[in-house]
Order: sequence, then C-alpha cells, then structure tokens
Amino acid sequence: AQRVTQPEKLLSVFKGAPVELKCNYSYSGSPELFWYVQYSRQRLQLLLRHISRESIKGFTADLNKGETSFHLKKPFAQEEDSAMYYCALLGGAGNNRKLIWGLGTSLAVNP
Amino acid sequence: GAGVSQSPSNKVTEKGKDVELRCDPISGHTALYWYRQRLGQGLEFLIYFQGNSAPDKSGLPSDRFSAERTGESVSTLTIQRTQQEDSAVYLCASSGRSQETQYFGPGTRLLVL
Repeated sequence: AQRVTQPEKLLSVFKGAPVELKCNYSYSGSPELFWYVQYSRQRLQLLLRHISRESIKGFTADLNKGETSFHLKKPFAQEEDSAMYYCALLGGAGNNRKLIWGLGTSLAVNP
Repeated sequence: GAGVSQSPSNKVTEKGKDVELRCDPISGHTALYWYRQRLGQGLEFLIYFQGNSAPDKSGLPSDRFSAERTGESVSTLTIQRTQQEDSAVYLCASSGRSQETQYFGPGTRLLVL
C-alpha cells in the first residue's frame, strides 16, 4: 500500500532549538516526496521537494530510502516557522499519479 | 497571473440543504484536485481531474458528494443534503500535470447548522 505517515500531530519547540518533523512513507517504486506548509491564514503551499535538493527558509529534507523516511529539519527554529506541515508522496502509476498526503504536523515555536 | 480562486469564501447552510462550491484553477493547468480539511485534522483527498480522463473519485465520502469540471477550467463540488459533519474547509488545487507542484486556493469554509 502507498502511505505517508507523520507520527506527530503536534510538535512544540523553543525558538532557536533544532526541529525535526518526521515523515515515513510506503511505496514500491522510486519515491518522489514533498513537504507542503500552511501558515496561519495563508494558503497551503509547497515548501520543498526532494528532487530539488534545496534548502528553503533554512529547512532541508533528505530522502532515506533505507529507512523510507523524508524528515524535515531545521537547525534553529524561528517563531515564524509555526505552521502546519504536510508530507506528501507522489503515488499512483502511469497517467493516474496523485499526491498521497500525511495527516500533518502542527509545529509551534515558542519564544 | 492569478492563482487558484474559490467561491464562496464562506458558506453557512442548514442541514439538509444542497451546496455548490466553485473552483477556478490556474489557466492552463490540466490537473485539479478537491480536498477537505476538518478542524484540527489533516488534508483529506476527495476527487481529482486530469485532462479529459475519467476523474478519480476514490476519496468522495458518500454519494451525496459529486464534482464536475468543464474541460480544463472551472470545477464545482456539490454536496447534497448537507450534514453537520460536512462542516469543514474545502480546498481546491491545480497543477500543470499530476506530477507537478500543486497550487492551492484559499478554500471555502462550510458550516452546516
């Protein structure tokens, strides 16, 4: 089965602390993974995708095929990072591919 | 250009009434998605349109839910005989192709009394 698991519904850290939002996936093929973010009163938007290997707003995510994980990390959290974060996997096959979403993790960065 | 737009932004209705939600995707985007986001919960996939292919309706929670899309433009999500548990934010997204970044609309907040 194709599945994305975000084990933490809520994660609370202090400003300046490292943060890691966990994402595990189940997929038989070569996975393509994404992190989307929704800040308060803003639209859901793409944060980063693993094929780009970018660092966006200080966040990075490394695909670990051995552990089937795509955890999102930032060394020093900022208050403006407080948001809802969704991990997603491009699932399906052929012409019927669509994103399979995790349930999301709400990150609260406290001053 | 303009992003994905949705209307209405808010809708309050009485239990048992029908509602229609509208989504205008980014021009040229062939893929269009509807999601539901209940309070305090994650993103729930509802339905997906890709070009002229038959839509993927696998996420629709009941036969009270239906959606249409005219060509590669506007889509409407219809909920018949609304129930209180239908109260949620309904999000629409579009992408150039299914593999590409999804761009989300602002959502329609539905409240069923």
